[in-house]
Order: sequence, then structure tokens, then C-alpha cells
Amino acid sequence: GAVVSQHPSWVICKSGTSVKIECRSLDFQATTMFWYRQFPKQSLMLMATSNEGSKATYEQGVEKDKFLINHASLTLSTLTVTSAHPEDSSFYICSARKSGRFSEQYFGPGTRLTVT
Amino acid sequence: AQSVTQLDSQVPVFEEAPVELRCNYSSSVSVYLFWYVQYPNQGLQLLLKYLSGSTLVKGINGFEAEFNKSQTSFHLRKPSVHISDTAEYFCAVSGSGGSNYKLTFGKGTLLTVNP
Repeated sequence: GAVVSQHPSWVICKSGTSVKIECRSLDFQATTMFWYRQFPKQSLMLMATSNEGSKATYEQGVEKDKFLINHASLTLSTLTVTSAHPEDSSFYICSARKSGRFSEQYFGPGTRLTVT
Repeated sequence: AQSVTQLDSQVPVFEEAPVELRCNYSSSVSVYLFWYVQYPNQGLQLLLKYLSGSTLVKGINGFEAEFNKSQTSFHLRKPSVHISDTAEYFCAVSGSGGSNYKLTFGKGTLLTVNP
């Protein structure tokens, strides 16, 4: 149990276009979902935290108008990179968490975004 | 606020040798501690976690870690590694109280197991 999927697993888009990444909890309800960004050979940096039905909370330095997050249901969150530029190329990973104090985060397999 | 320091960016070892990956943390509040493994181009898989209770925590794939509050450490160990253990390992911390479930990660340690 506790499987998280991401779609697509990789995407190439042209500079100036927008791209949407989906994160789904397949067998549990996720009250909270997190979006991370990982540069090559570096750690995960938290971008934002989203709770179902409410606006996402962005970390300092993350542009909320550029990285649009929608947590529409208890099993789906989406990250839209708007007007993408080559510097947005990265590995984006989501995680999902059930309710409860000791519940852990379950991570998706990641999405490789390349902006040309 | 919390921070995590993984002292070694790379650890090469031979197959069947023991290994220790070091992790130190800093926090002004009580914490939960985690070790994750990441294989190339994949997401993270939880190896083990410390929430409370026994300071020696056993995880999957033969790994274990010991929480040392006085030294603010949570080092990961395995007595005998396999080629398949080659991966990136991340130590992470979160606050244990309230609604602070955010994870702060270390920079990672690349474990390379050589034949």
C-alpha cells in the first residue's frame, strides 16, 4: 500500500510554454501533498505544501505565479510550470501524506523536466 | 527551523564490507528522523525512521540507525553491503509537534559498492 504515482515521468517542452505534472496517491487519501525540486547530484528542496481544498503554502524564494499548485482532491495534486525557461529544467518529485501525527510521506517516482 | 548535515558526500566500499553513513542534525524542537534511499532517476524510498522509543531503529534491506540525542546524530549502518546497495542516501528531519510535517533533507551521500 501507500503508492504515489507521477505523470509524466519525463517531459520536454519549449521555452515559454507551460507544462503540468500530476501526482496521485493510488491507494490512500492524501490530506497533504508536497512538491520538491532536485537539481543533479543535489538534495531535495521543498517548493510547496498543499492541503486538499486550500491554497498551497510556498517556501521562501519559490514563485507561486510560476509554479501553480492545485490540490483538487484527496488523491490528486498538480504542479504547473508556467512560461517555462531552461533554468526550470529539473527533477520534480511529489510526496503524499495521510492524516495523523505519525504518518510518513510517500514519494512519487519523479518527473524529469527539460526545457529547450 | 531544522538543518541536516551529511558529512560524507561519497562513500566507496567493497562488497560485504560494513558501512556507516553519517548524519547530524540541528533543531530547536523535538524531531523525527528519517533515512531515504534514491536509485538513479527514481523517487525516494523510506529505509527507516525514528519517531520515539528505542534509539536503535531497524529498517529494510538490513539497514539500521541509532538516534543519539546528546550528539544530535542519526548515523545509518549496515554490517555487510551488496552491489545493489549502490545508491544515494538522504537523511531527513521533521519537527515532532503540531502540524510541522515538512521534511528537511541533507545533501545526500552517494554509496558506491564495488566488487
